[in-house]
Amino acid sequence: AQSVTQPDIHITVSEGASLELRCNYSYGATPYLFWYVQSPGQGLQLLLKYFSGDTLVQGIKGFEAEFKRSQSSFNLRKPSVHWSDAAEYFCAVGISNFGNEKLTFGTGTRLTIIP
Amino acid sequence: DADVTQTPRNRITKTGKRIMLECSQTKGHDRMYWYRQDPGLGLRLIYYSFDVKDINKGEISDGYSVSRQAQAKFSLSLESAIPNQTALYFCATSVTGVADTQYFGPGTRLTVL
Repeated sequence: AQSVTQPDIHITVSEGASLELRCNYSYGATPYLFWYVQSPGQGLQLLLKYFSGDTLVQGIKGFEAEFKRSQSSFNLRKPSVHWSDAAEYFCAVGISNFGNEKLTFGTGTRLTIIP
Repeated sequence: DADVTQTPRNRITKTGKRIMLECSQTKGHDRMYWYRQDPGLGLRLIYYSFDVKDINKGEISDGYSVSRQAQAKFSLSLESAIPNQTALYFCATSVTGVADTQYFGPGTRLTVL
């Protein structure tokens, strides 16, 4: 069975600083990979997703993520964070295997932005 | 107007009570999902539906039931609520399967006393 790990429960960065949120997965093949963001009091919104092809994926709100097969990672990055980026971020891994589909979410990383 | 709506947004109930959470969508998607979110556990799938006639259990379906009244409506019921069902519940929709984007409602915060 696949699994997804977000090792950082909580990250604090200064506004304008760069950001990297880590995501590692466990699965025998390349799964579908997603990053979702949950702003306070709201549902989750897709930031970006990766299926195949270029390993650097661009998303909304200036985010990008890089798939590294050798490290089983799909880390999310942003060069300069804004106060509005304060939220919880979820990595998710999807598999489709002979008609059996499953999407597994990580436990989330809460991002705090300080002025 | 929001594409995926959930009612109520907040609910406090007592142990043993029956409660229904409702989800409606205007996106025209066939697939709908119910998740619960607990601190430190992320989102876990309770039930999902591929269409009105196709409903499936997720990883934590015990203690819950669902009804897909129409393509646009998917309800989650707790027949006899217990305190460890206190959580944030999300409804989501998608066009196709696991490779597709899921669109989430704003969530229902349920407290069982």
